[in-house]
Amino acid sequence: EDQVTQSPEALRLQEGESSSLNCSYTVSGLRGLFWYRQDPGKGPEFLFTLYSAGEEKEKERLKATLTKKESFLHITAPKPEDSATYLCAVQAADNTDKLIFGTGTRLQVFP
Amino acid sequence: DAMVIQNPRYQVTQFGKPVTLSCSQTLNHNVMYWYQQKSSQAPKLLFHYYDKDFNNEADTPDNFQSRRPNTSFCFLDIRSPGLGDAAMYLCATSRAILGRADTQYFGPGTRLTVL
Repeated sequence: EDQVTQSPEALRLQEGESSSLNCSYTVSGLRGLFWYRQDPGKGPEFLFTLYSAGEEKEKERLKATLTKKESFLHITAPKPEDSATYLCAVQAADNTDKLIFGTGTRLQVFP
Repeated sequence: DAMVIQNPRYQVTQFGKPVTLSCSQTLNHNVMYWYQQKSSQAPKLLFHYYDKDFNNEADTPDNFQSRRPNTSFCFLDIRSPGLGDAAMYLCATSRAILGRADTQYFGPGTRLTVL
């Protein structure tokens, strides 16, 4: 069964304290892996799409990487405005209309 | 800016009173999705349209219906809302490339309260 597991469930960081969020996946052929940021009471905001193992993408303080079994979202020197829930989702090669979501990592960055 | 718009942002209804949520998009994407998201949970796909083709998820209750009158608009109808239907409802769109849906872009959501 296709599955996505995110860890940790919650993460508290001091401003400037770099860390990584993990997304492990099991899917019958990966078409794409997606990272979203979701603020409370709002819809998910697209961050990155990764298509193949070894691929990396960066945006400001965020960097996403992909292996054959997992993806990492690295946060370098986070700021309080980076506080949000980060969702990972995968798209299977045999059913590309749908996304399989993880339950997210809730990140809090304190000044 | 191209975007996904949802109205209203907040909707309060009474138990059993039908309600309609709307979604519009200026991205000209041919695939549109409706998700239900409850607190601290992942979004749950209810159904999606691939152009005019409607695709219902097997576990979506019959109480939920959808209409897509044209490329830009999609509606979610809840015929008889129950207390368990209180949630955030998210609309998303994507374009299909060579028959495969690509990145999904989400609207801001509609928070539904059932009294």
